[in-house]
Amino acid sequence: GDSVTQMEGPVTLSEEAFLTINCTYTATGYPSLFWYVQYPGEGLQLLLKATKADDKGSNKGFEATYRKETTSFHLEKGSVQVSDSAVYFCALSHALPQKLVFGQGTRLTINP
Amino acid sequence: DTAVSQTPKYLVTQMGNDKSIKCEQNLGHDTMYWYKQDSKKFLKIMFSYNNKELIINETVPNRFSPKSPDKAHLNLHINSLELGDSAVYFCASSPGENSYNEQFFGPGTRLTVL
Repeated sequence: GDSVTQMEGPVTLSEEAFLTINCTYTATGYPSLFWYVQYPGEGLQLLLKATKADDKGSNKGFEATYRKETTSFHLEKGSVQVSDSAVYFCALSHALPQKLVFGQGTRLTINP
Repeated sequence: DTAVSQTPKYLVTQMGNDKSIKCEQNLGHDTMYWYKQDSKKFLKIMFSYNNKELIINETVPNRFSPKSPDKAHLNLHINSLELGDSAVYFCASSPGENSYNEQFFGPGTRLTVL
C-alpha cells in the first residue's frame, strides 16, 4: 500500500537557519503531494501542495518540489522564524476515493 | 466564521461508556472525513463520506459508527470505549474526490478514556 516516510524529529534550529525536512513516498500511479502544518493545540492547515511531477509548491517562504524519479517531496525554507515552530506532516493522496496518507510528522522548534 | 467545527473539544470518560463527537462544515463541501491522531502524532484516516454515502471504512472496529445526517455534518459515535481509543480525533472536509483537493481540518477532539 501507499506510505510516506519523513525524517525523524524533533528538529531544533536557531532563527534564520536553513530548514530541510525530508519526505519520501511509496505509491502506485501519480498521487498528489502535500505538506500540512499543525500548530500547538490546533488542527492541520495546508502549507503547500504539488499535483504532478516537477511541480513546485510554495507558501510563506516554504517550498517543495515533486520529484518522481526520487519519489521525494522535501520541504525547505531559507530562513526560519520562531513562529514556524510546529509539527509538519508530509502526505499523499490519490483520487476516488480521496484519502490522505500521512508521514509520521516532524516536530520543528525554532529558538530565538 | 469557523469552517470546520467539532464538539466537544475535550472528552474525558470511563472505559465501557458510549460517546459521540459532532462535526459540522460550512464550506459547502461534498466530502467529509474522520482521522485519528495517536499519542505519537501519527494520523490515520478512519472514514470518509461523500454526499452522505460512506466511501472509506479503513479497518476500524465496528464499535465506531459514523453518521452523516446531511452533507454538512458527520458525527462519530463510539460504543464501549477502550483505553486504546484515547487519541485526538479530527474531522475534515474537501470539495470532492479529486486527489489534489485540499482538506480542511477541524480543531480536533481530545478523547481520554480512563
